[in-house]
Amino acid sequence: AQTVTQSQPEMSVQEAETVTLSCTYDTSENNYYLFWYKQPPSRQMILVIRQEAYKQQNATENRFSVNFQKAAKSFSLKISDSQLGDTAMYFCAFMKRTGTASKLTFGTGTRLQVTL
Amino acid sequence: NAGVTQTPKFQVLKTGQSMTLQCAQDMNHEYMSWYRQDPGMGLRLIHYSVGAGITDQGEVPNGYNVSRSTTEDFPLRLLSAAPSQTSVYFCASSYSQRGGRDTQYFGPGTRLTVL
Repeated sequence: AQTVTQSQPEMSVQEAETVTLSCTYDTSENNYYLFWYKQPPSRQMILVIRQEAYKQQNATENRFSVNFQKAAKSFSLKISDSQLGDTAMYFCAFMKRTGTASKLTFGTGTRLQVTL
Repeated sequence: NAGVTQTPKFQVLKTGQSMTLQCAQDMNHEYMSWYRQDPGMGLRLIHYSVGAGITDQGEVPNGYNVSRSTTEDFPLRLLSAAPSQTSVYFCASSYSQRGGRDTQYFGPGTRLTVL
């Protein structure tokens, strides 16, 4: 079974600064996807970024980028130029790519507070 | 497109009552799923469906039933609510689990309290 670990329950960053959220996972699979989802106080789960395991290049989406280290099973999220609207719970998630269910396995989340 | 919609947004039940949480998507997605989110935990898969007429159990299926009669709708039924089912419920959908289009998109959630 896959497990996803987010070791930072809470983090804080000042506006315009850069912050990195950590995520490690455990799997014996070779083909899989990794995701970061954002959950603001509105409770909506919003996709931030996705990474295919077979791609060596790290995914980027505007101010969000990942550092994907497949051998180390590490998938960290870097938020540059942090904004107040980035305040949210962030979940790392793993999904294996097989013929069976696309089951997302989530970490327990990191609560990020962006301050003035 | 409205995306993934869920109703109701909030619901309070008494122990033993039954109810159905509604989920609909207008993106013609094949795959739909239900998750629950409890404090201090990530989301856990309850049931999923890979297409109309096909459903299967996820990680925590006990106490819940599903059916998929159309591509658009995937209701979740609580047959006899228990306090342990107090949670936030999310519905999600994606095109398919194959073909590289299996990013899941989530509805806004339903907060359910069972007294």
